[in-house]
Amino acid sequence: QSALTQPPSASGSPGQSVTVSCTGTSSDIGRYNYVSWYQQHPGKAPKLILYGVSKRPSGVPDRFSGSKSGNTASLTVSGLQAEDEADYYCCSYAGSNNRVFGTGTKVTVL
Amino acid sequence: EVVLVQSGAEVKKPGESLKISCKGSGYSFTTYWIGWVRQMPGKGLEWMGMIYPDDSDTIYSPSFEGQVTISADKSINTAYLQTSSLKASDTAMYYCARRSDYGDYSSFDIWGQGTAVSVSS
Repeated sequence: QSALTQPPSASGSPGQSVTVSCTGTSSDIGRYNYVSWYQQHPGKAPKLILYGVSKRPSGVPDRFSGSKSGNTASLTVSGLQAEDEADYYCCSYAGSNNRVFGTGTKVTVL
Repeated sequence: EVVLVQSGAEVKKPGESLKISCKGSGYSFTTYWIGWVRQMPGKGLEWMGMIYPDDSDTIYSPSFEGQVTISADKSINTAYLQTSSLKASDTAMYYCARRSDYGDYSSFDIWGQGTAVSVSS
């Protein structure tokens, strides 16, 4: 099972929006609406920010949104804030009880 | 408060074995899957496998099957990740994480703080 493909980096100025893509295959993202996103600050454990493609756990700001089209899922962070600077990972169920993470994207707030 | 607390950092030599732990509290430990995730230095997250503590049903990623053993002792709310014959390439941060009950098979809502493992001669 290959890792889902994410761009290595993305950036935006404070207040702007940034979108991170996560490309898989018809066996994972394309087949299931089980896509989650994680935010990881340096030296910290990952934090769940989206599940089920576009749902937010309690406490996650509505600046974080998600979508999916075909084999690609996307995370959009609107109204960028300094604290949004972090690494972001997608994860998808891949069938047969398997899960696969994305390669990760470093988001920089300019 | 729902918390997963992992055992401390490990320094090992090649060929040695390793067993790290993940203790849950603040929730019904036996009824949530616990997964393990590897993060090699400067690299991304890799899903290794998971266990259902109530009956020790275990699932492994094809990439890690046969390389690691995941177990649990529900009497003490603890899950374990074990590997034998360590290699330098096993140097990584290892996280345990609780699979959520959101109905999304991919989502892990509670994470341990991580256990750093260093393998060097």
